[in-house]
Amino acid sequence: DIQMTQSPSSLSASVGDRVTITCQASQDISNYLNWYQLKPGKAPKLLIYDASNLETGVPSRFTGRGSGTVFIFTISSLQPEDIATYYCQQYDTLPYTFGQGTKLAIK
Amino acid sequence: QMQLVQSGPEVKKPGTSVKVSCKASGFTFTSAAMQWVRQAHGQRLEWIGWIAVGSTNTNYAQKFQGRVTITRDVSTSTAYMELSSLRSDDTAVYYCAAGSGIWGQGTLVTVSS
Repeated sequence: DIQMTQSPSSLSASVGDRVTITCQASQDISNYLNWYQLKPGKAPKLLIYDASNLETGVPSRFTGRGSGTVFIFTISSLQPEDIATYYCQQYDTLPYTFGQGTKLAIK
Repeated sequence: QMQLVQSGPEVKKPGTSVKVSCKASGFTFTSAAMQWVRQAHGQRLEWIGWIAVGSTNTNYAQKFQGRVTITRDVSTSTAYMELSSLRSDDTAVYYCAAGSGIWGQGTLVTVSS
């Protein structure tokens, strides 16, 4: 199985800050990577697909980049409503696998 | 609108089985692969398995091999995930998703004696 290593596992930032999360795959997954936002009591929300494509309706402050094994997710200006846990997921090879998540808090 | 509606919460005894349903509407059910994911309280998202687009091909995470069965009924646009030999650590919210972008609301499965 492809292992997805996400870092950091948690981070605290101020409103307006730029936030970056990294996801590393144990093997080349091309650009077959999703980023999700998960809030308590809610279903996962797809933010980014194919590593860098913004899902319809998602604010443009969310961006993704990368290919191969290293992927970067960025929130350009953190908003209070962005408090959540963020996950990457590879869908290059079954079984599809998630990173361990990054819990984002407001400083 | 495109949506997936899952069945209600379940409380099960250890060793028994649970079958969660996921009914699709607003999109072509046979055009999307369906994946199942769970999250135990405070834990990470965990991928359970998947059923292919327009076929009965399935793939399961090794952890669940032999205990999980994912099926789909095209006539009712409904997917199912059955998990057997339940243990207390199977207590979690179970989600279905069509592709990556359409998710069900989640079903809480509690396993307790």
